Amino acid sequence: EAGVAQSPRYKIIEKRQSVAFWCNPISGHATLYWYQQILGQGPKLLIQFQNNGVVDDSQLPKDRFSAERLKGVDSTLKIQPAKLEDSAVYLCASSALAGVGNEQFFGPGTRLTVL
Amino acid sequence: AQSVTQPDIHITVSEGASLELRCNYSYGATPYLFWYVQSPGQGLQLLLKYFSGDTLVQGIKGFEAEFKRSQSSFNLRKPSVHWSDAAEYFCAVGAWAAGNKLTFGGGTRVLVKP
Repeated sequence: EAGVAQSPRYKIIEKRQSVAFWCNPISGHATLYWYQQILGQGPKLLIQFQNNGVVDDSQLPKDRFSAERLKGVDSTLKIQPAKLEDSAVYLCASSALAGVGNEQFFGPGTRLTVL
Repeated sequence: AQSVTQPDIHITVSEGASLELRCNYSYGATPYLFWYVQSPGQGLQLLLKYFSGDTLVQGIKGFEAEFKRSQSSFNLRKPSVHWSDAAEYFCAVGAWAAGNKLTFGGGTRVLVKP
């Protein structure tokens, strides 16, 4: 089966610009996650969707970050305006169901550099 | 709140030698524990997980991990390392009471010498 797809793979922008990332989860997976992985650190959950509803966005900087999953399939994560500290790899993951027992499958990530 | 510590940032091991990666967690209730591997330019791949039962867990690629509640540890081991095992390894803890959220450690980068 096809894995989690993400695009673009790389993005370089200047601070205060906006950027958007796209994720296509594994077909049939109801739960979708966005993680931020800063260089030298482990991934940190930004937001979790169950179908098209938000389950957890407690660590999403809502003043500049937004995410949506309108039809319960694809998702976009947007940053506006970007700051230098947003430079990171943004990972998308999906699982068949919500809950810790369900394996999360990760995409290759989008590496964002903010200059 | 739950947390994970991976004390070793980098480990260098010779091909064919054994490997052990340390992971310590902090969580008040029964944790669910995971080890993921991330190769350069790749997403994370699940190596193994522990939920309950036998405290020695077998995973893919010849890896195993042992859960020790008394030491709050979940160390990853491999008896004989291959060059393809060079990657970054992440330990993670999840718990129902924490909203099913996965918390990752900072990772350990493994370098394999020929």
